[in-house]
Amino acid sequence: TQLLEQSPQFLSIQEGENLTVYCNSSSVFSSLQWYRQEPGEGPVLLVTVVTGGEVKKLKRLTFQFGDARKDSSLHITAAQPGDTGLYLCAGAPGSGGSNYKLTFGKGTLLTVNP
Amino acid sequence: AAGVIQSPRHLIKEKRETATLKCYPIPRHDTVYWYQQGPGQDPQFLISFYEKMQSDKGSIPDRFSAQQFSDYHSELNMSSLELGDSALYFCASSSPWGLGYTFGSGTRLTVV
Repeated sequence: TQLLEQSPQFLSIQEGENLTVYCNSSSVFSSLQWYRQEPGEGPVLLVTVVTGGEVKKLKRLTFQFGDARKDSSLHITAAQPGDTGLYLCAGAPGSGGSNYKLTFGKGTLLTVNP
Repeated sequence: AAGVIQSPRHLIKEKRETATLKCYPIPRHDTVYWYQQGPGQDPQFLISFYEKMQSDKGSIPDRFSAQQFSDYHSELNMSSLELGDSALYFCASSSPWGLGYTFGSGTRLTVV
């Protein structure tokens, strides 16, 4: 069973601060995805990283996939209250393919205070 | 753009009753997944279908069953409901390129 350790579990910061969320595993993933979920809603895909060492930027969000494709990080610059939510990392099996079951981390509940 | 449609959004059932949740995936997505998410928990995989055939099975109780129909919509049938079945149930679909799921808005099931 592939496990994803996500940290921190909870994060409360002030508007304008920077933060980093980590997602680590001992397993290799063919791709790793980050989702953001608001209460009572389904997770929304933010980004998929596929290549080891890959860095993707989405406005103030920067996603990195580790060289060995076992870990990933999400960095948010100048956080805003609208960034509040549950951030989930999810990994696709090392075999890849179109039919796969994602393994989710436990999530990071981010609260950005005005 | 079309999204994954789930119905109903909210459902209240009594213990030992039966519930049916429906999911309509994004057109041309070939795989449908069902997940259960308890309060403060990450989504737990239940079952998936690839081209209308069951492709993988997770921690789905024997009281639950699911199927995918010829029009690609899927239904999750839950019988002999227990209080512990209260949760958000999400359906997601993915494209043949498998680079991410699109989740529906979920069905909140409350068993009383």
